[in-house]
Amino acid sequence: DIQMTQSPSSLPASLGDRVTITCRASQDIGNYLRWFQQKPGKSPRLMIYGATNLAAGVPSRFSGSRSGSDYSLTISSLESEDMADYYCLQSKESPLTFGGGTKLELK
Amino acid sequence: EVQLVESGGGLVKPGSSLKLSCVASGFTFSSYGMHWIRQAPKKGLEWIALIYYDSSNKYYADSVKGRFTISRDNSKNTLYLEMNSLRSEDTAMYYCAKNWGDYWGQGVMVTVSS
Repeated sequence: DIQMTQSPSSLPASLGDRVTITCRASQDIGNYLRWFQQKPGKSPRLMIYGATNLAAGVPSRFSGSRSGSDYSLTISSLESEDMADYYCLQSKESPLTFGGGTKLELK
Repeated sequence: EVQLVESGGGLVKPGSSLKLSCVASGFTFSSYGMHWIRQAPKKGLEWIALIYYDSSNKYYADSVKGRFTISRDNSKNTLYLEMNSLRSEDTAMYYCAKNWGDYWGQGVMVTVSS
């Protein structure tokens, strides 16, 4: 199975900060990588697909990138509404696997 | 507007069975693969099953293989998850999701406890 190692697990940050969350894939997944945002008590929301493509309605301060087997989600200037849990997902092959999650919180 | 509405959850005893449903609207259900994903309390997301648009292929996580069955009825725009031999570790919020997570339902809680 493909393992997705997500870091950090917790990320304290201030409004206006540039923040980056990373997932490392244990095997080649190409660009079959998605990022989800989940706010407390809510269902996850797709933010990025194909490693770098912004999902519909997602603010442009969010971006996705890839460097080899490392995939990153970056928020260019943190806003209060971005405080949430974030998960990566590899959809290259079954079983699909999520990263362990990152809790983004106010410092 | 895409909507996915899960139902069928509840409190059951270990070893019991339960069948979840997910009614879809706002898109051509028969054209998309569908997933079940769960989240144990205070834990991360766990993918558990995928069914192709035409039911030709089904895939499962090892944690549920042989106990859970994913199915769909395209005439009713409905996705199902039949869960047998339930264990305490199956306690979670269960979400259905369209395609590769483009849209998610609101989730339904399943609690397995004696």
